[in-house]
Amino acid sequence: QQQVKQSPQSLIVQKGGISIINCAYENTAFDYFPWYQQFPGKGPALLIAIRPDVSEKKEGRFTISFNKSAKQFSLHIMDSQPGDSATYFCAAPATSGTYKYIFGTGTRLKVLA
Amino acid sequence: GAVVSQHPSWVICKSGTSVKIECRSLDFQATTMFWYRQFPKQSLMLMATSNEGSKATYEQGVEKDKFLINHASLTLSTLTVTSAHPEDSSFYICSARQLGPNTGELFFGEGSRLTVL
Repeated sequence: QQQVKQSPQSLIVQKGGISIINCAYENTAFDYFPWYQQFPGKGPALLIAIRPDVSEKKEGRFTISFNKSAKQFSLHIMDSQPGDSATYFCAAPATSGTYKYIFGTGTRLKVLA
Repeated sequence: GAVVSQHPSWVICKSGTSVKIECRSLDFQATTMFWYRQFPKQSLMLMATSNEGSKATYEQGVEKDKFLINHASLTLSTLTVTSAHPEDSSFYICSARQLGPNTGELFFGEGSRLTVL
């Protein structure tokens, strides 16, 4: 099965700092790259997503950077806050144009107050 | 955004019993729903794709006779864990996509935590 590799596994950031999470994919047919945020005991919620026809997308403090040639995309959280402490998952469709997603292994982010 | 509701949110059962988990799209219709399983501190693993009015499609390694999926309407899919055993204890999450323009977004339920004693 095609994979989505995510790093780091865990991340500790001071309040106000920048959190960066990276993902690498294999299937060049992937055409939609979402990031999900999950709090303990809850289902994942869509945070931000990008399509490969753009290299960057910004929504508030959250930015996705996309490098098509390297088959990598990353999530940047600016001015990180304690409320951002959660697990973040990148994902990509297993097959182009479908909603059958493959999820990355997850990154547990802790933002210190 | 659209709302997906799961019930129950948590359930404890004895080994050998069957447990049913419901997934409902509250304010939209969903021809396709997905069931995931998540163990503590691990990622979401897709179990099966639930299609309204037809048989579910299971991922490799998922026992279809153990995890029965029914998608009887455009707003309801159910997952039944049959003859549950302690190793089936996990967090089960469903997701659905909204009919209409292709936004790419999946809406997830809040999850159902199953504990088998």
